[in-house]
Amino acid sequence: GAVVSQHPSRVICKSGTSVKIECRSLDFQATTMFWYRQFPKKSLMLMATSNEGSKATYEQGVEKDKFLINHASLTLSTLTVTSAHPEDSSFYICSARVLIAKNIQYFGAGTRLSVL
Amino acid sequence: AQKVTQAQTEISVVEKEDVTLDCVYETRDTTYYLFWYKQPPSGELVFLIRRNSFDEQNEISGRYSWNFQKSTSSFNFTITASQVVDSAVYFCALSEGRETSGSRLTFGEGTQLTVNP
Repeated sequence: GAVVSQHPSRVICKSGTSVKIECRSLDFQATTMFWYRQFPKKSLMLMATSNEGSKATYEQGVEKDKFLINHASLTLSTLTVTSAHPEDSSFYICSARVLIAKNIQYFGAGTRLSVL
Repeated sequence: AQKVTQAQTEISVVEKEDVTLDCVYETRDTTYYLFWYKQPPSGELVFLIRRNSFDEQNEISGRYSWNFQKSTSSFNFTITASQVVDSAVYFCALSEGRETSGSRLTFGEGTQLTVNP
């Protein structure tokens, strides 16, 4: 299947700092990428849909100023957690939709964020 | 509104046993897609299968098989002769709409499968 690279895999930061997470489609172009958040032993919660060249669409309850999404190219989307606080600690996963593969989403390996 | 229910939170089996993971879905659309993903301890979600609502044929891939029944809104997943490496969380998911739409995935709560040696 298609390969999605997510970096970093783990990050520890101090409260108040900002953290950027990158999601890259390595062998295909992705006009649409998705950002999810997953709490321990829970399901994935969609945060936002990222479309190349346009503003991201955020799910209800997700602060757009807190979680900045940029999809500047067909192979890269970034999620920036601004002014991170301990409650932002979580597992963040991105996915990319492959149109030619019948709308399947392929996922990155995830980023575990720990805010101290 | 769409919903996916995986009633089995945790399943524990002994190696070589067969195991079936249940998935029941709700949707008002006539066109929709069903998926299964595997999430090993490393965290990455691995795509296993996609099925559209017009194709009720069951599918077999090695030790994996899937049973799609629209009459009961179920899309169950069976692992035959389970192995320790099958231990993971398995998610069933649903997306509505046409292939060209920005359809989103709705995930079930997941089933933690533990295969003991």
